[in-house]
Amino acid sequence: KAGVTQTPRYLIKTRGQQVTLSCSPISGHRSVSWYQQTPGQGLQFLFEYFSETQRNKGNFPGRFSGRQFSNSRSEMNVSTLELGDSALYLCASRQDGNTEAFFGQGTRLTVV
Amino acid sequence: GENVEQHPSTLSVQEGDSAVIKCTYSDSASNYFPWYKQELGKRPQLIIDIRSNVGEKKDQRIAVTLNKTAKHFSLHITETQPEDSAVYFCAAKDDYKLSFGAGTTVTVRA
Repeated sequence: KAGVTQTPRYLIKTRGQQVTLSCSPISGHRSVSWYQQTPGQGLQFLFEYFSETQRNKGNFPGRFSGRQFSNSRSEMNVSTLELGDSALYLCASRQDGNTEAFFGQGTRLTVV
Repeated sequence: GENVEQHPSTLSVQEGDSAVIKCTYSDSASNYFPWYKQELGKRPQLIIDIRSNVGEKKDQRIAVTLNKTAKHFSLHITETQPEDSAVYFCAAKDDYKLSFGAGTTVTVRA
């Protein structure tokens, strides 16, 4: 079956702009989590959605937001972009509970 | 919230030797501990996981141990091969959140 798909793969934005990233989970997976990956910082948890509800949120400013649709697809939005937002943004989907999280290939965001 | 610490940050081993990565977690409610491998330019992929009711799990050259009392778990790779070179992440899950360590860059020298 198809894996987790993230679009777009690459983005270049200027400071102050806003951006929306998309994640399509594996069919049947209702949980979608978002992570920010930067060199030396590992995978920083942004938020997790399940059945269109945000169940958990990491320690990121309010400029980072997300949502999930009825088909489990999720979007992440970052407003008023800063240079420090440059990173690889990964989403992961899983069935609920203690099951494997499958990652997408990520969206590489560069803020100039 | 959960805090996962991972050591070492880099590890260089001779091909054929063993590699050990250690992680500690803070939340005693965490009950699921996966390990992910990320090769350069690729997505993280699960290599092994362990649940809190199990103390050890092995899959070919890879093994994971869990000490719930001490809140630490470890990844052991035996007979390392060049294809084991990658970044390895440990993680701990409490409720709905999977928290990751900062990663260990493993280099296997031929």
